[in-house]
Amino acid sequence: EAEVAQSPRYKITEKSQAVAFWCDPISGHATLYWYRQILGQGPELLVQFQDESVVDDSQLPKDRFSAERLKGVDSTLKIQPAELGDSAMYLCASSLDPTVGYGYTFGSGTRLTVV
Amino acid sequence: RKEVEQDPGPFNVPEGATVAFNCTYSNSASQSFFWYRQDCRKEPKLLMSVYSSGNEDGRFTAQLNRASQYISLLIRDSKLSDSATYLCVVKGAGNMLTFGGGTRLMVKP
Repeated sequence: EAEVAQSPRYKITEKSQAVAFWCDPISGHATLYWYRQILGQGPELLVQFQDESVVDDSQLPKDRFSAERLKGVDSTLKIQPAELGDSAMYLCASSLDPTVGYGYTFGSGTRLTVV
Repeated sequence: RKEVEQDPGPFNVPEGATVAFNCTYSNSASQSFFWYRQDCRKEPKLLMSVYSSGNEDGRFTAQLNRASQYISLLIRDSKLSDSATYLCVVKGAGNMLTFGGGTRLMVKP
């Protein structure tokens, strides 16, 4: 079964440092999403890409977060500087055809701890 | 008010029990509805889609009431392996999934 790859699996960083997460979607999936999930809450959308273009980044804290998908394949999410409140699971999901409801696959996530 | 609201639980039930979760959503233009399951420290995985006519998958039954903007999930004959967090998910404009906060289920022997 095809998977969405994310790395690293775990990351501990100090406050004010920079941190980056990587996502490789399922081959051929044009739509890619980054979600943040704080412990005990549901995932919240940060950014949505269609190929290399940003479709929605209205919930991305742009003063410290950035996301790119330069070639329309893999994607990087960066935080600089990291704050204590950024501690969360960062989930990447991809979809071949998001108009089909069940067509979303999530990666295993990157668990970030900011100390 | 959150777009998708769920009772966080936890629901503690014995094996074999029937348990029901509810979810309400605020955007009447929402297009599609789902239940996802999330095990501790794992990614969410699709459990089932939810249709207006109601749908069943083994021990799981999902219902949608568009007029009341309400979604439900019923689990019959609960198993220990059903212990997880159940996320109500709504798809709206732009094909974005909006998640509820999740309902935690613990099935005890």
